[in-house]
Amino acid sequence: DIQMTQSPSSLSASVGDRVTITCRASQGISNYLAWFQQKPGKAPKSLIYAASNLQSGVPSKFSGSGSGTDFTLTISSLQPEDFATYYCQQYNSHPLTFGGGTKVEIK
Amino acid sequence: EVQLVESGGGLVQPGGSLRLSCAASGFSFSNSWMHWVRQAPGKGLVWVSRIHGDGSSIAYADSVKGRFTISRDNAKNMLYLQMSPLRAEDTAVYYCAAWSSGWLWGRGALVTVSS
Repeated sequence: DIQMTQSPSSLSASVGDRVTITCRASQGISNYLAWFQQKPGKAPKSLIYAASNLQSGVPSKFSGSGSGTDFTLTISSLQPEDFATYYCQQYNSHPLTFGGGTKVEIK
Repeated sequence: EVQLVESGGGLVQPGGSLRLSCAASGFSFSNSWMHWVRQAPGKGLVWVSRIHGDGSSIAYADSVKGRFTISRDNAKNMLYLQMSPLRAEDTAVYYCAAWSSGWLWGRGALVTVSS
């Protein structure tokens, strides 16, 4: 199975900050990488697919980049509604595997 | 509207059974791989099972193999997960998920296995 490693596991940031989360795959996955946002008690919400494609309806402050084994999710200007846990997921090969999550908290 | 809606969760004793359902709408269900993903309380997301659009290919995580059965009814746009026998460690929110120009997620169904 492909292991997905996210860093950091948590971070504290202020409203307006630029935030970057990284995700590393244990082997190459081309661009078959998705990012999700999850708030407490809620289902995951899709943000990005194919490493850099914004899901319909997702604001442009979210962006993704990377290919192969190294990927990043960037939030350009953190807003109160962005405080949540973010997960990466590879879908290059079965089984689907997820990163351990990055919890973004208010500083 | 594109959506996935799970149902069938609840409280069950260890060794018991439960069947989850997922109603799909707004996308080409019969052409889509469908997945079950679970999340134990306070933990991350873990893939459970998948099924090809025509049901010809099925796979399970080792932790549920031999106990869970995934199936689908393309005429009804429904996905199912039969779970038996259940263990305490199966306690989780179960999500159905699909790929359709991006990932679609249901809102989840809580399964609690406890005596």
